[in-house]
Amino acid sequence: TQLLEQSPQFLSIQEGENLTVYCNSSSVFSSLQWYRQEPGEGPVLLVTVVTGGEVKKLKRLTFQFGDARKDSSLHITAAQTGDTGLYLCAGATRNTNAGKSTFGDGTTLTVKP
Amino acid sequence: DVKVTQSSRYLVKRTGEKVFLECVQDMDHENMFWYRQDPGLGLRLIYFSYDVKMKEKGDIPEGYSVSREKKERFSLILESASTNQTSMYLCASSLWNGQETQYFGPGTRLLVL
Repeated sequence: TQLLEQSPQFLSIQEGENLTVYCNSSSVFSSLQWYRQEPGEGPVLLVTVVTGGEVKKLKRLTFQFGDARKDSSLHITAAQTGDTGLYLCAGATRNTNAGKSTFGDGTTLTVKP
Repeated sequence: DVKVTQSSRYLVKRTGEKVFLECVQDMDHENMFWYRQDPGLGLRLIYFSYDVKMKEKGDIPEGYSVSREKKERFSLILESASTNQTSMYLCASSLWNGQETQYFGPGTRLLVL
């Protein structure tokens, strides 16, 4: 069974602070996705990373895929209240269960004004 | 943009009722998924389908069935709703391309009384 562990589980910070969320596994993934989910809504895709060592930037968000494709991080610079939400990572592998992803349990981020 | 729609945002049903949750995607995706999301338990896969009329059990299929008669539509059926099926239900779809980025609907919040 593949597992994705996210840390921290909860994070509460002041507006303007920086933060990093981690997603770790002992399994190798062919791709990894990060999603953000707001209360009462479905998760929305932020980014997909596929190459070991890959770094992608989305405005103030920086995503990194580990060299061994087992882990990933999300760094937010100068957090804003609009960044509040649940952040989920998900990993996919090319195997007989093609199409299924493994989801982490999420990091709940609260950014206070 | 990929669009995944779910038939209802909120549903209230009584114990023992048969419940249908409908999901439609407009991007010709092969894969479709049904998850339930509960506080502290993350996203749990109920069923997924990788083609029309094809389905596979996820991690928690008990008490649920699914139907995929057309590529764009994936239905989740609760044969006899129970109070422990009160939850947020999320539908998703994805291409079968090795990246498996999933696109989610807005969710259906089901309350079983």
